Amino acid sequence: AIRMTQSPSSFSASTGDRVTITCRASQGISNYLAWYQQKPGKAPKLLIYAASTLQSGVPSRFSGSGSGTDFTLTISCLQSEDFATYYCQQYYSYPRTFGQGTKVEIK
Amino acid sequence: QVQLQESGPGLVKPSETLSLTCTVSGGSISSYYWSWIRQPPGKGLEWIGYIYYSGSTNYNPSLKSRVTISVDTSKNQFSLKLSSVTAADTAVYYCARLHEGYDSSGYYYWYFDFWGRGTLVTVSS
Repeated sequence: AIRMTQSPSSFSASTGDRVTITCRASQGISNYLAWYQQKPGKAPKLLIYAASTLQSGVPSRFSGSGSGTDFTLTISCLQSEDFATYYCQQYYSYPRTFGQGTKVEIK
Repeated sequence: QVQLQESGPGLVKPSETLSLTCTVSGGSISSYYWSWIRQPPGKGLEWIGYIYYSGSTNYNPSLKSRVTISVDTSKNQFSLKLSSVTAADTAVYYCARLHEGYDSSGYYYWYFDFWGRGTLVTVSS
C-alpha cells in the first residue's frame, strides 16, 4: 500500500495567515491526490482533486499543487472557519490511503 | 441533494459481526460507486471498500478477509458486514458516494463527494 505522510501533524496559526500543509507519497502517484477538510464531529469535505483542481463551491483561498510524490495544500488567508483537520488521499492505486491528518489550531 | 444515513448497532461484542446499512435519499443508488470509510476515535481515515450499484466490489486488503459490502437497489441501500471484530474495529463508520471519472480538463478524479454523518460502533463485551 502507498503510504501518505503529512507534515506537520498539527500547528497553530492566526486568522489571516498563509498556511501550507505538505503531503508526501511513498511512491509516485502522478497527480492522483485529493484533499479533504474535517471539522470535529463532522464528515470530511472534499476540497481539491487531481492535486490542484478546486472542487466546486470551495473558496479560492484554498489551492493545491504538486505531482509525483510531493504535494502541498495552501490556504492563502486563513479564516475562522478553516480551523480543522486536513487529510490528503491518494487514488493512484488500491488500497486508497489517506495521510494521518494535519490539525490547524487557533493561535 | 443526495443524503446518506448510516444505521445499525452502536455496540458489538468481540468476535461477533458488525452490520451497518446506509440509506441513500435524494438520488438513485444506480450508476455510482458507494463506499465505507472508518475513523477510530481521535485517529485518521481508513478506506474499507466500495461497491458498484451492479454489485462489483473492491475491498481494502487489510480487511478483505472479514468484509462484505452488498447493495439493495430496490431499497436504495448498501450495507457493510465486518466479521470477527475486536476492539481495534471501534470507530466511526461513514458511508459515502464515490465519484470517479474525467473532468472537462481531462483530469481523472476519484473522490467521496457525499457522506453520511457517521455512526460510532464500539466493540466491547
